[in-house]
Formats: sequence, structure tokens, C-alpha cells
Amino acid sequence: EAAVTQSPRNKVAVTGGKVTLSCNQTNNHNNMYWYRQDTGHGLRLIHYSYGAGSTEKGDIPDGYKASRPSQENFSLILELATPSQTSVYFCASGAGHQNTLYFGAGTRLSVL
Amino acid sequence: SQLAEENPWALSVHEGESVTVNCSYKTSITALQWYRQKSGEGPAQLILIRSNEREKRNGRLRATLDTSSQSSSLSITATRCEDTAVYFCATDARNNNRIFFGDGTQLVVKP
Repeated sequence: EAAVTQSPRNKVAVTGGKVTLSCNQTNNHNNMYWYRQDTGHGLRLIHYSYGAGSTEKGDIPDGYKASRPSQENFSLILELATPSQTSVYFCASGAGHQNTLYFGAGTRLSVL
Repeated sequence: SQLAEENPWALSVHEGESVTVNCSYKTSITALQWYRQKSGEGPAQLILIRSNEREKRNGRLRATLDTSSQSSSLSITATRCEDTAVYFCATDARNNNRIFFGDGTQLVVKP
């Protein structure tokens, strides 16, 4: 079965600190995505990737960087975390166009 | 503005009843997907319906797609308490691999 694993599941960070959220997929999918979910806003795309070494900006990339060092791993980096980045973050993988997205269980991030 | 939008924002039914969630979208698509998200979990796909399809079924679920009006619906028959979740429609765009989600419909199924 498709598997997307996010770590950590919960994170408390301080304002101005650096935060790295990790995602690993065992589906051998080319595409990976980072979304954030806030009450009343559904899922908003932050960054995505078509394969190892590639990253693309989504709809709300400001304040976030992404890294795709391998087919399996996709990280989301907050260089200078702010309270407005408090949210639940979801990673997903997909085989390509018209294909199902498989989501991880999410990371709950609180920036104090 | 959002490319996909579900309505109504919230629904409440009793077990055994049927329910329909609607979706309107704004972009030319190749496929529309319906996802369900239970509390504390990531979304999980229920149905994918391609632009050349008008209806798709998956057990108690039935999705329709009308590309002329850019709308879709997801119907659930014989609802169960475990159907309580947020339901999202998600659209792709013809020229890339991005998937756009609406804000979701919160469905509560009461015993």
C-alpha cells in the first residue's frame, strides 16, 4: 500500500528559529507536494516537486523553502519561523497527471 | 480566488439517510477528484472522475461530472457514523501536475 510518512508529527518552535519538516514516500512517485491546512482555508499548496532535484513554487511559497534530495524525500524548511506559520502541514505524493494524491498524516506546527 | 469550491459548507444527517455534496470549479480540467478527511488524518481519495466521464461509482458513493457547467457532485447513500468527515473536491489543470482543493464540506452523520 502507498505510504507517505511525515516527521515530526508535532513540533513547537520559537519565533525566528529554523524548522525542517520531513516527508518520505515509498511509492516511487515522481511528484511530491507540501500543503498547509488552516481552519476555513482548506489545503493550500506551498511547494511541489516533479522529481529529485526539482522544486516549484505553489500558491503560498513566501517564508518557505523546499528540498527534494531524492525520489523518496521532500523537505519543507522554514528558515525564520513566524507565528503566522502555525498550522497543520501535509505532504503528499502522486504518480503524475490525473493521478491520486497519497497524503501523510500531517505535522502540527506551533510557532510561539 | 479558489479554483474549486464545495457547497454547502456543512451538512448534518442521520444514519441511513442519503446526502449530496456539490462542487464548482473554474479551470479546464482533465480530472476531478473527491477526497475525504477524517479528524486527525490526512485526506484520502474516494473517487477520481475524468473529464470524458459523466458518472463514477465506488460502493455507496456516486460522483457526477458536468464539464459544461463546471460542476460535480458526490452522493453518499445509506450514510454511517463513520462517514463523518470533511469532503473535498480537487481539480487538476491541463498543463501541469498541480492539484487544487476547495475548502471542504463538513459532514456529520448522527446515530
